[in-house]
Amino acid sequence: QSALTQPASVSGSPGQSIAISCSGTSSDVGAYNYVSWHQQHPGKGPKLIIFDVSDRPSGISNRFSGSKSGNTASLTISGLQPEDEADYYCSSYTSGSTYVFGTGTKVTVL
Amino acid sequence: QVHLVQSGSELKKPGASVKVSCKASGYTFNSYALNWVRQAPGQGLEWMGWSDTKTGNPTYAQGFTGRFVFSLDTSVNTAYLQITNLKAEDTAFYFCASGSAMGAYWGQGTLVTVS
Repeated sequence: QSALTQPASVSGSPGQSIAISCSGTSSDVGAYNYVSWHQQHPGKGPKLIIFDVSDRPSGISNRFSGSKSGNTASLTISGLQPEDEADYYCSSYTSGSTYVFGTGTKVTVL
Repeated sequence: QVHLVQSGSELKKPGASVKVSCKASGYTFNSYALNWVRQAPGQGLEWMGWSDTKTGNPTYAQGFTGRFVFSLDTSVNTAYLQITNLKAEDTAFYFCASGSAMGAYWGQGTLVTVS
């Protein structure tokens, strides 16, 4: 199972919106609505921010939103804030009853 | 409140074995699968596999068969990851993760250093 493909880095100025793509196949992202997004600050563990493509866990800002089209999922961060600077990983359930993570995207707030 | 608490850092020599624990609290242990995730220094997240907490049956991702063993002790709500014949490339943080969505809850991570 190959890792899902994400851009290595995305940047934006405070207040702007950015989008991170997560490209998979018809055996993972395209097959199930079980795409999640995880945020990881330096030296910290991951934190779930989106599950089931577009749902937010309790306590997660509505500035984070998720969507999916075909084999590609996307995370949008609106009203970018300094504390959003972190690494972001997508993950998906697969047809092999396994999970796969994306390659990860470093978000920089300019 | 859900907590996943992992055992402390380990320093091991090549060829040795290590066993990492992940103790769950705040929910019924067999409600969710227990996943294991590896993160090598400066690298991304890799899903290693999961334990079915109802049956104990493990599932291993490609690249994590043979030297990696998942086990459970349901009497103490604890999952274990054992790695045998350690190699330098096993140096990494190992996380446990659980929840109705994979990764809804994460352990704090255990650093295993092989040197």
